[in-house]
Amino acid sequence: SAVISQKPSRDICQRGTSLTIQCQVDSQVTMMFWYRQQPGQSLTLIATANQGSEATYESGFVIDKFPISRPNLTFSTLTVSNLSPEDSSIYLCSVEDWDMGSSGANVLTFGAGSRLTVL
Amino acid sequence: TQLLEQSPQFLSIQEGENLTVYCNSSSVFSSLQWYRQEPGEGPVLLVTVVTGGEVKKLKRLTFQFGDARKDSSLHITAAQPGDTGLYLCAGVRAGGTSYGKLTFGQGTILTVHP
Repeated sequence: SAVISQKPSRDICQRGTSLTIQCQVDSQVTMMFWYRQQPGQSLTLIATANQGSEATYESGFVIDKFPISRPNLTFSTLTVSNLSPEDSSIYLCSVEDWDMGSSGANVLTFGAGSRLTVL
Repeated sequence: TQLLEQSPQFLSIQEGENLTVYCNSSSVFSSLQWYRQEPGEGPVLLVTVVTGGEVKKLKRLTFQFGDARKDSSLHITAAQPGDTGLYLCAGVRAGGTSYGKLTFGQGTILTVHP
């Protein structure tokens, strides 16, 4: 399965600043996905990043707040802009992968996440 | 309204006890997946179930997909402290085109005390 490196693993930022999170995959993938996870809670999809086109954002998430880059098939960045304490979360990138033991069903492989704390 | 209702939200048990986590929906899913997440890590896939009525076993974990493909359960036998973590069910609605748009349940935080 794909191996995803995500950094930073954690950061503490001041209100009003921005943080850029990087996601590197060890193989070429068509789509990369960015999720947000508030502490102890489930995952919410922010956007889908396709190489060569603008990211597709889910309801409640906008490009001005969460700009995404996808310069090639192995790399993406997510920026969280104009930070407020409400942005304190874990941000995860993921890619589609194959579940070898389940009739070719697609599954998600995740990075370890970036824990953001906004003061 | 949550598309996938996962319960219970919290579970605190002693080592050796059995437990079941439920994932229910009014919608039909083409597949359901279960993930486990430990602190500081991303979710890791445990299993995918794709056929109504399917049962899969992974050592002490038993996963079941409902006949109508609207619900799933995870049963752990003789829980161990190493089972502690956040368990997430996730599914793709029938007719969905991208697994990146998995719908996740709210998650179950399991704590197994030695």
